Amino acid sequence: QVQLQESGPGLLKSSQTLSLTCTVHGDPISSGGYYWTWIRQYPGRGLEWIGYIYYNGDAYYNPSLKSRLTISVDRTKNQFSLRLNSVTAADTAVYFCARYCSGGTCDSGHQFGVDVWGQGTTVTVSS
Amino acid sequence: QSALIQPPSVSGSPGQSVTLSCTGTRSDVGSYNRVSWYQQSPGAAPKLIIYEVNNRPSGVPDRFSGSKSGTTASLTISGLQAEDEADYYCSSYTSSSTYVIFGGGTKLTVL
Repeated sequence: QVQLQESGPGLLKSSQTLSLTCTVHGDPISSGGYYWTWIRQYPGRGLEWIGYIYYNGDAYYNPSLKSRLTISVDRTKNQFSLRLNSVTAADTAVYFCARYCSGGTCDSGHQFGVDVWGQGTTVTVSS
Repeated sequence: QSALIQPPSVSGSPGQSVTLSCTGTRSDVGSYNRVSWYQQSPGAAPKLIIYEVNNRPSGVPDRFSGSKSGTTASLTISGLQAEDEADYYCSSYTSSSTYVIFGGGTKLTVL
């Protein structure tokens, strides 16, 4: 049973860099044909797709965040990470790491679904 | 890119059926069968309940079903139970460069 665990600081000041790491437990990050994903949820509900990365390093970003965003993968540690530069109060949210099956050969067969989620980590940006 | 449109709230009584809608455009829901639905209880992460419009992961009760017509996807919950009270989100692949967009969510209240 794959489990995901986010880690990183919960409180930042405006203009700082947000760094979060997601550790994948229970399966190699390179197996299964999945895209490893970051999603955030604003206070009051709204979900936003941040971006995702394949185990080989191919990454895809939300255009609204692309200029500030880097997603990377470390296969040796079975982790993937997010770096978001120049944060503001608008980046305050719960950040989830997750597993996305983007068609093709993902083992679960849950095509185009996010079928495993981390518990989420709250990030607050203060001025 | 705009989010998919979901009604903010829906309610129903135990045993009834409710249908939650998710309206997109020809760039997303209308052109791709890549719609999924998520159930989120307070304080928890979302849970996948429907993928590819109308498929259920194992363990999801068959009371949950999905469909699509044109640019609107729907989630129907039959035989409503108290435990179904939660927030429900739809998502879809989009041909815009974001790849995936979400709806704003619908709060389901079981009366």
